[in-house]
Amino acid sequence: AIRMTQSPSSLSASTGDRVTITCRASQGISSYLAWYQQKPGKAPKLLIYAASTLQSGVPSRFSGSGSGTDFTLTISCLQSEDFATYYCQQYYSYPRTFGPGTKVDIK
Amino acid sequence: EVQLVESGGGLVQPGGSLRLSCAASGFTFSSYEMNWVRQAPGKGLEWVSYISSSGSTIYYADSVKGRFTISRDNAKNSLYLQMNSLRAEDTAVYYCGSVDWGQGTLVTVSS
Repeated sequence: AIRMTQSPSSLSASTGDRVTITCRASQGISSYLAWYQQKPGKAPKLLIYAASTLQSGVPSRFSGSGSGTDFTLTISCLQSEDFATYYCQQYYSYPRTFGPGTKVDIK
Repeated sequence: EVQLVESGGGLVQPGGSLRLSCAASGFTFSSYEMNWVRQAPGKGLEWVSYISSSGSTIYYADSVKGRFTISRDNAKNSLYLQMNSLRAEDTAVYYCGSVDWGQGTLVTVSS
């Protein structure tokens, strides 16, 4: 199985900050990577797929990049509603593994 | 509006069985592959199972293989997860989805 890692595991930031989260795959996955946002007690929400394609309705302050094994999620100007946990997931092969998550909280 | 509503969760003893259902509406269910994903209390997301739009292709996580069975009824716009030989470590909120996800149903395995 492909192992996904994320860094950092958590971060504290302020509204208006630029935030970058890194995801790494244990083997090449081309661009078969998605990013999800999850708030406590809520379902995950798809933000980005194919590494860099913004899901419909997702604000443009979210962006993704990378291919192969290294990927990033960037939030250009953090808003109050962005405080959440973010997960990457590879869908290059089964099992479709998730990263362990990055919790973004208020500084 | 896309809606996915999971049901069937509850408290079950170790070794017991449960059948989860996921009712879909607001999109052409028969055209979409579907998944089950779970989240143990305080833990991250874990992918559980996949089924293709026709039901002809199925995959499972190693942790549930041989115990869980995914299925779908496109005529009823419904997805299912039959869970047998349940273990304490299967305790989690179970979500169904593809792009959008339901709100989940809690499965608790405990004596």
